[in-house]
Amino acid sequence: DSGVTQTPKHLITATGQRVTLRCSPRSGDLSVYWYQQSLDQGLQFLIQYYNGEERAKGNILERFSAQQFPDLHSELNLSSLELGDSALYFCASSPSDRVNSPLHFGNGTRLTVT
Amino acid sequence: AQSVAQPEDQVNVAEGNPLTVKCTYSVSGNPYLFWYVQYPNRGLQFLLKYITGDNLVKGSYGFEAEFNKSQTSFHLKKPSALVSDSALYFCAVKLDSNYQLIWGAGTKLIIKP
Repeated sequence: DSGVTQTPKHLITATGQRVTLRCSPRSGDLSVYWYQQSLDQGLQFLIQYYNGEERAKGNILERFSAQQFPDLHSELNLSSLELGDSALYFCASSPSDRVNSPLHFGNGTRLTVT
Repeated sequence: AQSVAQPEDQVNVAEGNPLTVKCTYSVSGNPYLFWYVQYPNRGLQFLLKYITGDNLVKGSYGFEAEFNKSQTSFHLKKPSALVSDSALYFCAVKLDSNYQLIWGAGTKLIIKP
């Protein structure tokens, strides 16, 4: 058990809808990372937060947004969903804002857009 | 451009045989190198990392990796494969000056009994 909790585990929704994915980092970790994993694009880094502030941005679409709250949990909001957004979304956490220390991944949220 | 390559989509090994999963990188600075493993329906798990020092790094579950600067490689190895090692393996690299990891595409390792 990595200590990172992601909810929900599965999500099925229709095109055009909006969903929110939630992540609770490992106790003591200040950084949260969001990744998208799809069959055709592999593991794509979306965004990183450190202690409530955005630290780095990757290939995140404008329809997607995220935030990290004072209690350090994070939410990833996906809107105007398209079929191509169907993927596994992972959250990872680490103690610092650098990736020298290992990332601890949750088990992911599987999003299916129909 | 900075990149990580895992040249094999899939590696098949018989149980008990040694295994190697290949990773090469192209970066302009001093790399930090990582291996992660992903079991079905699970998140990635850290296996090992190279930051500096001894080129042979030992990690979890009996895995090790060798950093080769001249060949810009960081291959993952295990002397004797187990069926339970079957999983998806990811290599990743980070520059000291960069916050983020660059990920390889992953290699599916299949260990046959």
